[in-house]
Amino acid sequence: GQQLNQSPQSMFIQEGEDVSMNCTSSSIFNTWLWYKQDPGEGPVLLIALYKAGELTSNGRLTAQFGITRKDSFLNISASIPSDVGIYFCASLQGAQKLVFGQGTRLTINP
Amino acid sequence: DAGITQSPRHKVTETGTPVTLRCHQTENHRYMYWYRQDPGHGLRLIHYSYGVKDTDKGEVSDGYSVSRSKTEDFLLTLESATSSQTSVYFCAISESMFFSYNEQFFGPGTRLTVL
Repeated sequence: GQQLNQSPQSMFIQEGEDVSMNCTSSSIFNTWLWYKQDPGEGPVLLIALYKAGELTSNGRLTAQFGITRKDSFLNISASIPSDVGIYFCASLQGAQKLVFGQGTRLTINP
Repeated sequence: DAGITQSPRHKVTETGTPVTLRCHQTENHRYMYWYRQDPGHGLRLIHYSYGVKDTDKGEVSDGYSVSRSKTEDFLLTLESATSSQTSVYFCAISESMFFSYNEQFFGPGTRLTVL
């Protein structure tokens, strides 16, 4: 069953605002991934985290691998219209099997 | 963009009919995967392949079978479609599992509706 709990499930923000979402698990994971899915397309990898405490940025996106290895968060600064989409956290179950969170749907009001 | 195509992109079928979805890649990647995406569940792994004729089950494999006779093609078959299999299906590919994680690249998806 589902092992990653992602929150919030949806967000409605104004353009220019910062966004924060997180993902928690009852299990320890060694890798945390953040994907974005644009409408009508497949998910695309944004950030990969491999070490507890790791903080990684990709442009306006910043993600952290929690110290307990059971959580991760993603921040988006100064949101723009193209940030609209669904954001998924994911982690590895075994060498190549991915398990995904339920997703956070981001809507931006102009 | 990784060279992944899925066909068909949309399909409507009736309960009890067999359905085959095709994933084709031009990247020569070893690993291929089938996921389904449903509201409130994110993406869930159905089956994956780690080489020609080598496949294994994922989290939600009941009612699905797969085949991989060539590196570039991975087929997903619903032997007797049910309404619970209405979903969006994504194929993904990745390279060797030699490193800790090799990025999975996703196709554009197939929207399947079972009436």
